[in-house]
Amino acid sequence: SQTIHQWPATLVQPVGSPLSLECTVEGTSNPNLYWYRQAAGRGLQLLFYSVGIGQISSEVPQNLSASRPQDRQFILSSKKLLLSDSGFYLCAWKYLMNTEAFFGQGTRLTVV
Amino acid sequence: EDQVTQSPEALRLQEGESSSLNCSYTVSGLRGLFWYRQDPGKGPEFLFTLYSAGEEKEKERLKATLTKKESFLHITAPKPEDSATYLCAVQAVTGTASKLTFGTGTRLQVTL
Repeated sequence: SQTIHQWPATLVQPVGSPLSLECTVEGTSNPNLYWYRQAAGRGLQLLFYSVGIGQISSEVPQNLSASRPQDRQFILSSKKLLLSDSGFYLCAWKYLMNTEAFFGQGTRLTVV
Repeated sequence: EDQVTQSPEALRLQEGESSSLNCSYTVSGLRGLFWYRQDPGKGPEFLFTLYSAGEEKEKERLKATLTKKESFLHITAPKPEDSATYLCAVQAVTGTASKLTFGTGTRLQVTL
């Protein structure tokens, strides 16, 4: 069966520090991968998606970037965090275009 | 632009008191409507996928239905463990990728 791992679960970082969140999927190959951010009282906002290694599409201009160095690995990064980067970050994967997405357990990022 | 609106924002039910959650949507070419359950501090958990008007899916006390403009999540005789935020999402396919647009959710609280 397929599983998705996302870490860390919580993170407190100072303003201006770098960020690296990692997500890996097991039990499938060539998944579509996604990074979402969820703010309190708001829906999930799609940040990045990837249909293959090295292929990244950005949905929202921001202080973040994403990379996919391996088929089942998706990384969310920032060179310098802003206070507004605080939120709940979720990684997700789906196998086929019209199927459901499965989410990791999320990372609660607090920028102080 | 794809839009998803969920109502009510919050719902409080007594155990055994059935009700329905609403998800209305506008999307260019629906390629699937999805329901998720999200517990506090966790990633969304997949519940149902609906693809065409008239389709229904059931799981324990939950039943999801779909029309051309909205979806309902019916909760029959809820229990306290059904308390969670229920998210609705629609899928559109753009090029080689498929993306989910989420509503802001309905927070359900079931009391004894």
